[in-house]
Amino acid sequence: DAGITQSPRHKVTETGTPVTLRCHQTENHRYMYWYRQDPGHGLRLIHYSYGVKDTDKGEVSDGYSVSRSKTEDFLLTLESATSSQTSVYFCAISGGSNQPQHFGDGTRLSIL
Amino acid sequence: EDKVVQSPLSLVVHEGDTVTLNCSYEVTNFRSLLWYKQEKKAPTFLFMLTSSGIEKKSGRLSSILDKKELSSILNITATQTGDSAIYLCAVWRDGGYQKVTFGTGTKLQVIP
Repeated sequence: DAGITQSPRHKVTETGTPVTLRCHQTENHRYMYWYRQDPGHGLRLIHYSYGVKDTDKGEVSDGYSVSRSKTEDFLLTLESATSSQTSVYFCAISGGSNQPQHFGDGTRLSIL
Repeated sequence: EDKVVQSPLSLVVHEGDTVTLNCSYEVTNFRSLLWYKQEKKAPTFLFMLTSSGIEKKSGRLSSILDKKELSSILNITATQTGDSAIYLCAVWRDGGYQKVTFGTGTKLQVIP
């Protein structure tokens, strides 16, 4: 299994609070991704990174920001959480542009 | 906009049955099609298909891509209860970062 650890695994928080999710990899892969998974929508890309300090937006990036200061860590921040951001968040990594993505176990986030 | 449609949405079979899952897609600059299996946590990678007509096999699972029909099938023979999962299809667009669009999945339940 790809060495991907997401933390926390579960979180419950209130609307308006900031939330940071962490993805840590031990594979030294260049590419990292944050997805959210919601019923009826499948997995949707939030942000991705193609190297340290190199990030860009995915299809559902509004309300989210990311940072990657080290190869192994990719952080996803909800600046002011809303109930619509209740979801399961997955981190994925890839070793190259011709290699498939491998996923972490996910973080279940509930915003009340 | 890229689109991936999977069918059926769900199915229930008995152990030992053979099942075929379908995936159709519309994507600009198609590169590859991927299949993942998702049990309770992370989607796990099954196959990546790039060339039409070439079957990929792994044990009782096999998959093939038809680029003319813009579709793929995933076959599972002699199903077991451990095959119960959501099977995700995704298409990977060429160019830039790994732009991957996921379908909403087929939920397979295998009963003894």
